[in-house]
Amino acid sequence: KAGVTQTPRYLIKTRGQQVTLSCSPISGHRSVSWYQQTPGQGLQFLFEYFSETQRNKGNFPGRFSGRQFSNSRSEMNVSTLELGDSALYLCASSLGGFITGELFFGEGSRLTVL
Amino acid sequence: GQQLNQSPQSMFIQEGEDVSMNCTSSSIFNTWLWYKQDPGEGPVLLIALYKAGELTSNGRLTAQFGITRKDSFLNISASIPSDVGIYFCAGHPANRDDKIIFGKGTRLHILP
Repeated sequence: KAGVTQTPRYLIKTRGQQVTLSCSPISGHRSVSWYQQTPGQGLQFLFEYFSETQRNKGNFPGRFSGRQFSNSRSEMNVSTLELGDSALYLCASSLGGFITGELFFGEGSRLTVL
Repeated sequence: GQQLNQSPQSMFIQEGEDVSMNCTSSSIFNTWLWYKQDPGEGPVLLIALYKAGELTSNGRLTAQFGITRKDSFLNISASIPSDVGIYFCAGHPANRDDKIIFGKGTRLHILP
């Protein structure tokens, strides 16, 4: 069974640019959630999508957005990048939602903002 | 908001030693989870706990859901080099079951 696939794995952007990250969940999983991981803050929840609807949202500014497609694939977008957005962005999928806590993570997309 | 206090932040141990780490909160949690992240990888679920007092093992790993529902611990027995990584606790707060909170992680180093 293929795992969670995130693309791109690494990217470098400059301040003010925007970025789109992609996540393909495990086949059959309908929930996709996104997290920002930084050394000082650990894993911070961004948002969760289930059946193309945003079901939960963390405390991030509106520059962070996401969507989910009918095949459960998800994208997240960060506009007007700031230096502090440099982080590892992790996507996780689960069968019915992250309420069970059994999340399957991808390897992440490492974003560097210069 | 709810926070999980995970300790220690990092540990340096000798191969073969037992390891203990814990996670505490000022509020009650319905679920406690332990994940491990290897370098360059995403976190992987080790153990999930759903009931106060529950003690669960997964090989050399043992975790417990504290009876107060405000804490959990993870023990690793007879550590081996592949145990190196970051261990995260996570949980669903009782008053916001739709949220998941992660601790900041315990980085485990094993000395040869």
